[in-house]
Amino acid sequence: SQKIEQNSEALNIQEGKTATLTCNYTNYSPAYLQWYRQDPGRGPVFLLLIRENEKEKRKERLKVTFDTTLKQSLFHITASQPADSATYLCALDMNQGGKLIFGQGTELSVKP
Amino acid sequence: GAVVSQHPSRVICKSGTSVKIECRSLDFQATTMFWYRQFPKQSLMLMATSNEGSKATYEQGVEKDKFLINHASLTLSTLTVTSAHPEDSSFYICSARGDGSSNQPQHFGDGTRLSIL
Repeated sequence: SQKIEQNSEALNIQEGKTATLTCNYTNYSPAYLQWYRQDPGRGPVFLLLIRENEKEKRKERLKVTFDTTLKQSLFHITASQPADSATYLCALDMNQGGKLIFGQGTELSVKP
Repeated sequence: GAVVSQHPSRVICKSGTSVKIECRSLDFQATTMFWYRQFPKQSLMLMATSNEGSKATYEQGVEKDKFLINHASLTLSTLTVTSAHPEDSSFYICSARGDGSSNQPQHFGDGTRLSIL
């Protein structure tokens, strides 16, 4: 079965630095890969979607890469701010009626 | 943007009680909604896919008689946890996806914290 791994340890960085989060998966590549942000006690909020034939996607300070050879996606937040502190989830869309398979998330803490 | 409203946000009740959770898409129609549960520090685990006008599709290991799903309209799906026990305590989250192409993101409700005493 498909498995997803994200950095299990929390990531602590200084304000202004770039945060890089990793999402690795096994087996076959998804049709789409999505990244979400989740704050404590809240539902996830959609950030970015990247297709299997795309290498990179950007949105403001966010950048996502997708390497189907390495079976890996990287999520970058440039010029990070304390308000970026949250848990970030990657999710695979296997093109099966919209079902998503979520990673366990990486907790990011940006210190002022 | 697309908004999904989930109600109630928190429930505390005695063992044996049945609890109903509502999930509404406020400004779009959703033929498909999804129900997840999430334990602390863990991933969202898909429980079932709710389809408007038809039976829900449950993931392996999820008891359909325990977790009743009804998707009676294009904007409302409900999850009923029947005869809840302490092990059912968890964070339940619904999501909805706009109709159209398959690469639509999911829009999540803010979850329901269920605590069974």
